[in-house]
Amino acid sequence: AQSVTQLGSHVSVSEGALVLLRCNYSSSVPPYLFWYVQYPNQGLQLLLKYTTGATLVKGINGFEAEFKKSETSFHLTKPSAHMSDAAEYFCAVSDQGNTGKLIFGQGTTLQVKP
Amino acid sequence: GAVVSQHPSRVICKSGTSVKIECRSLDFQATTMFWYRQFPKQSLMLMATSNEGSKATYEQGVEKDKFLINHASLTLSTLTVTSAHPEDSSFYICSARGDRGYGYTFGSGTRLTVV
Repeated sequence: AQSVTQLGSHVSVSEGALVLLRCNYSSSVPPYLFWYVQYPNQGLQLLLKYTTGATLVKGINGFEAEFKKSETSFHLTKPSAHMSDAAEYFCAVSDQGNTGKLIFGQGTTLQVKP
Repeated sequence: GAVVSQHPSRVICKSGTSVKIECRSLDFQATTMFWYRQFPKQSLMLMATSNEGSKATYEQGVEKDKFLINHASLTLSTLTVTSAHPEDSSFYICSARGDRGYGYTFGSGTRLTVV
């Protein structure tokens, strides 16, 4: 079975500061990992994903994440927060497409203060 | 890019009635569709997985007779909430996997309010 834990349900940063959203996963098979962003009353937008290959993954809007197998982590970072980054962020894991299910973490609300 | 159109975006219905939510893949063939439910300030909970032309597979605890899923074509999947009750009020989101590599495309969600 697979699971995802996002540490910190709420993260607050100042505009221009580093953003770090934490995600740890559990998987019995090599995982595919995803980060999504959700704005109020909207669907999910893919920020980035890791399937195979390079463990440092760059996504949209300046976000990146690093797959660390030894730590079972896939933390999301952005060097400098913008006000527009305020949203809900979800980490998700999939079982390499065997069932295709995406299992989501609890979500982290990112607040960006001026 | 891949687009999934989900309708309606909002619906209010009376208790005891049924509501149908549609998800259409506009520029790709959705071989697999996933339906999620999201309560306020919570994560997405997978309700069911459907493959085109076959019966949906429901997650444990999801009532298949209450949440009817149809995936009759490669571009359309529907979720019907039957005999809706106020506790069914939630945000429902579909997600499609298709024939363009490994990826998931999400619909914009449907806010269901049962009064």
